[in-house]
Amino acid sequence: DVKVTQSSRYLVKRTGEKVFLECVQDMDHENMFWYRQDPGLGLRLIYFSYDVKMKEKGDIPEGYSVSREKKERFSLILESASTNQTSMYLCASSPDDSPLHFGNGTRLTVT
Amino acid sequence: AQSVAQPEDQVNVAEGNPLTVKCTYSVSGNPYLFWYVQYPNRGLQFLLKYITGDNLVKGSYGFEAEFNKSQTSFHLKKPSALVSDSALYFCAVRDLNYGQNFVFGPGTRLSVLP
Repeated sequence: DVKVTQSSRYLVKRTGEKVFLECVQDMDHENMFWYRQDPGLGLRLIYFSYDVKMKEKGDIPEGYSVSREKKERFSLILESASTNQTSMYLCASSPDDSPLHFGNGTRLTVT
Repeated sequence: AQSVAQPEDQVNVAEGNPLTVKCTYSVSGNPYLFWYVQYPNRGLQFLLKYITGDNLVKGSYGFEAEFNKSQTSFHLKKPSALVSDSALYFCAVRDLNYGQNFVFGPGTRLSVLP
């Protein structure tokens, strides 16, 4: 069974801090994704990666960056956290032409 | 551009009754369509998908969905709802013309009343 693990379930950070959200998948999937989920807006794609060291901007990349140095790990970085980045962050992975497999999410609060 | 609409924020149904959660989509090419379910404080779980073939797709937990190309719809259905089906449901589309990106609808909260 595919497992996508997000390192933190809950995170509280201060405005201006640099924040790292980590995601690891154990099924050798090529594609990995970071979404944020906000009530009434569904899931919005921040960044995705289709290979090691490759990344593509999604719909809302501003204020975020990503890193994929190894195939199994995809990190989301908030360079300088702001209160409007308080949200649920979901990581997902998939092989080509297959459904996404999601982690359990990280609920980030920026105060 | 691709988009997904779920016209109902909330659907209430009595236990044992049939349920429908609606989804319409807009893509430029042939769509890959998906339904996901989210339970409280969890990630999304895959329910079913339509890629090609039979318009009626069967998935997990007794759910099914009907692909209607002329109406650009992919409604989720279940013949007899359970209280445990209460959750947030997301429809998603992937248009291969846009590579690996999946686009999600805003979600529909299903409440099954005992």
